[in-house]
Amino acid sequence: QVQLQESGPGLVKPSETLSLTCSVSGDSISSYYWSWIRQPPGKGLEWIGYIHSSGTANYSPSLKSRVTMSHDTSRNQFSLRLTSVTAEDTAVYFCAKVIGSPPGRFDPWGQGILVTVSS
Amino acid sequence: DILLTQSPSSLSASVGDRVTITCRASQSISVYLNWYQQKPGKAPQLLIYAASRLESGVPPRFSGSGSGTDFTLAISSLQPDDFATYFCQQSHSTPGTFGQGTRVEI
Repeated sequence: QVQLQESGPGLVKPSETLSLTCSVSGDSISSYYWSWIRQPPGKGLEWIGYIHSSGTANYSPSLKSRVTMSHDTSRNQFSLRLTSVTAEDTAVYFCAKVIGSPPGRFDPWGQGILVTVSS
Repeated sequence: DILLTQSPSSLSASVGDRVTITCRASQSISVYLNWYQQKPGKAPQLLIYAASRLESGVPPRFSGSGSGTDFTLAISSLQPDDFATYFCQQSHSTPGTFGQGTRVEI
């Protein structure tokens, strides 16, 4: 079955760039949409955006100026880059497969990775 | 953006109880509404999609209903494994949005 695994630094300094990768196994990232979603500690879920294997991407308006998503079909991975981070970007970041037309529903999800923004 | 408002924010229930959670959208989203269950320290898991369709492997005690702006998730007979937080999510249009969550406690 499809499995997703997030990876990247767990600690990022304020004003620096958060970079995460989602590795997909059991399925090809080609021809599908893939999303990033985050959850601040003890709070709700926030949609960050999606990317398609064609390169098409769509981002949350509230993060659009700081977010870039990319993909590497040869490695079957997709990535998130968030610039100029602040403490408000501290969250568990999930990657997920999009089912249906975007924004779609999300299934499955990665286990999540906690990223803390602190000096 | 489409705002989703869940109620209640939390509820206390006992094993065997029938539980209902509502999700109201700020504009009509037809049946583009999904429900997830999240347990502490875990990723959300899809329960219901397209308002009323049960995801494969999800027990039939879970059901969803509604269309337009008002939706309901029901658990017919609460089991110990069901104590968790539940989120609705709209798949009608970007940006994707989630409800704030409903915590179901013992």
